[in-house]
Amino acid sequence: SQTIHQWPATLVQPVGSPLSLECTVEGTSNPNLYWYRQAAGRGLQLLFYSVGIGQISSEVPQNLSASRPQDRQFILSSKKLLLSDSGFYLCAWSGQGYGYTFGSGTRLTVV
Amino acid sequence: ELKVEQNPLFLSMQEGKNYTIYCNYSTTSDRLYWYRQDPGKSLESLFVLLSNGAVKQEGRLMASLDTKARLSTLHITAAVHDLSATYFCAVDLNNNDMRFGAGTRLTVKP
Repeated sequence: SQTIHQWPATLVQPVGSPLSLECTVEGTSNPNLYWYRQAAGRGLQLLFYSVGIGQISSEVPQNLSASRPQDRQFILSSKKLLLSDSGFYLCAWSGQGYGYTFGSGTRLTVV
Repeated sequence: ELKVEQNPLFLSMQEGKNYTIYCNYSTTSDRLYWYRQDPGKSLESLFVLLSNGAVKQEGRLMASLDTKARLSTLHITAAVHDLSATYFCAVDLNNNDMRFGAGTRLTVKP
């Protein structure tokens, strides 16, 4: 069966510090991978998606970036965090026509 | 531009009552999904609706899809406190490109 792992679960970072969130999928090959952000009490904002290794599409211009160094690995990064980057970050995968499966999420607080 | 509109956005209901959440979308699609999100948690898949007229039921929740009307409903029967959560619908455009509604925050009160 397919599983998705996302870490860390929580993160408190100072403004201006770098960020790296990781997401890996097991039990499937060539999944579509997604990064979403959710502000407190709000809906989902699609940040990046990837249909293959090295293929990244950005939905919203910002100081975040994403990379897909391996088929089942998706990384969200920032060189310098802003206060506005705080939120709940969710990784998801799809590939079988049954919608998205989400990771457990990372709650990022920038202080 | 694709729009996925849920209503209501906030719903407070008493235990034992029935209610329906609506999800309207503005483009052609025959795949729609419902998710549940508990506070501070990730999204959990509830229903996968893959064709016009599809109806799925799980416990006190029942979801349906009318692709001609571009409408999906999530019906709650005899609500209980454990159903308190935020519910999202999502429309599958194609090739696993999905768009989410804003979510309906449901609170069930005793």
